[in-house]
Amino acid sequence: NAGVTQTPKFQVLKTGQSMTLQCAQDMNHNSMYWYRQDPGMGLRLIYYSASEGTTDKGEVPNGYNVSRLNKREFSLRLESAAPSQTSVYFCASSSGFEKLFFGSGTQLSVL
Amino acid sequence: RKEVEQDPGPFNVPEGATVAFNCTYSNSASQSFFWYRQDCRKEPKLLMSVYSSGNEDGRFTAQLNRASQYISLLIRDSKLSDSATYLCAVNVEPPDMRFGAGTRLTVKP
Repeated sequence: NAGVTQTPKFQVLKTGQSMTLQCAQDMNHNSMYWYRQDPGMGLRLIYYSASEGTTDKGEVPNGYNVSRLNKREFSLRLESAAPSQTSVYFCASSSGFEKLFFGSGTQLSVL
Repeated sequence: RKEVEQDPGPFNVPEGATVAFNCTYSNSASQSFFWYRQDCRKEPKLLMSVYSSGNEDGRFTAQLNRASQYISLLIRDSKLSDSATYLCAVNVEPPDMRFGAGTRLTVKP
């Protein structure tokens, strides 16, 4: 069972470069999420999508854009990467009211 | 004020100890509550859901106090394998799920 798959696992960017993190789930979940995790800060919600065609800002949306391409896929884009965006990024999905299933994470470094 | 606040830790306890974690949430309309476990460099995984009546799973007990807006996790007879970071999660306005900062537990022999 694949569950939630996110790519890439590791990425190094230079300041100002752009990139897109991809996420796909095969559990037919309506809701999908992007979190970032920094030491001592826990998981902070960047954006979420309650259902196909909708997206909403979380706690820390600045500097990010998202696209809910279809029910399975939810991508996160950094248009102009900054060192402050160095973090571990997790994609997750859920039915909406129940537990989240997480991808294995993307470790991003912005130099 | 953060939506979800959690004991900062770290907690260092000997094997066999009982340890408790607390987590408070700010939105009284929050509907569902969870505890996740995260091992180093891994994704969080659900440990248990938290129900109004409280629930127990082996050595783990979770409780919810809606009046005081907090949830707790009790681990009895700690094992070395319990060493991890424990994150509380609150479904603030479904599906908006917020997490605490996590509490790191180290169980020592």
